[in-house]
Amino acid sequence: DAGITQSPRYKITETGRQVTLMCHQTWSHSYMFWYRQDLGHGLRLIYYSAAADITDKGEVPDGYVVSRSKTENFPLTLESATRSQTSVYFCASSEWGGGVNEQYFGPGTRLTVT
Amino acid sequence: KNEVEQSPQNLTAQEGEFITINCSYSVGISALHWLQQHPGGGIVSLFMLSSGKKKHGRLIATINIQEKHSSLHITASHPRDSAVYICAVEETSGSRLTFGEGTQLTVNP
Repeated sequence: DAGITQSPRYKITETGRQVTLMCHQTWSHSYMFWYRQDLGHGLRLIYYSAAADITDKGEVPDGYVVSRSKTENFPLTLESATRSQTSVYFCASSEWGGGVNEQYFGPGTRLTVT
Repeated sequence: KNEVEQSPQNLTAQEGEFITINCSYSVGISALHWLQQHPGGGIVSLFMLSSGKKKHGRLIATINIQEKHSSLHITASHPRDSAVYICAVEETSGSRLTFGEGTQLTVNP
């Protein structure tokens, strides 16, 4: 299907485990973003990527790793999950830089770390 | 203090009422976005504007760059408008968005 998809949609994991959240978009958008959404905070940027093999830190990057070997995929890895990483994670993409182009959001992944 | 402040945090209205949600920001921006997050969690972009006013159906978004303020209006509100409305700005210094905490709107029939 065309669009932006995330998998899994729900994930429960234990503290200390490595977890990878997948994001895939079919528009060949240059920019991709990972956000987390928590009560009491707006969406916060974790990492973003301007193109394949180009990534940069956002507001809250600690404990996360990203890669972008292909334009259409932007996986987010929690190297050693902590309870504070329990959140809803959204992936987004835009044709160019986020502000002058609309961002398209994936459906979100609800991650619980026990 | 957050760079993007929305008010009110929560809003309950009766069907048919005119609704206004406000967004104030403290930095120079190149664009401001209004987003809608459905009860199921999905987020969609409603407007992207850098000046003036935009209208789409019953939704109207305005921005005053000098006052660093934007408003989202919903005319003839309907229960299906119930959602979280999020304001986000792109600072002139970068390509990333900074988000407000959102306004939870509930429209009762």
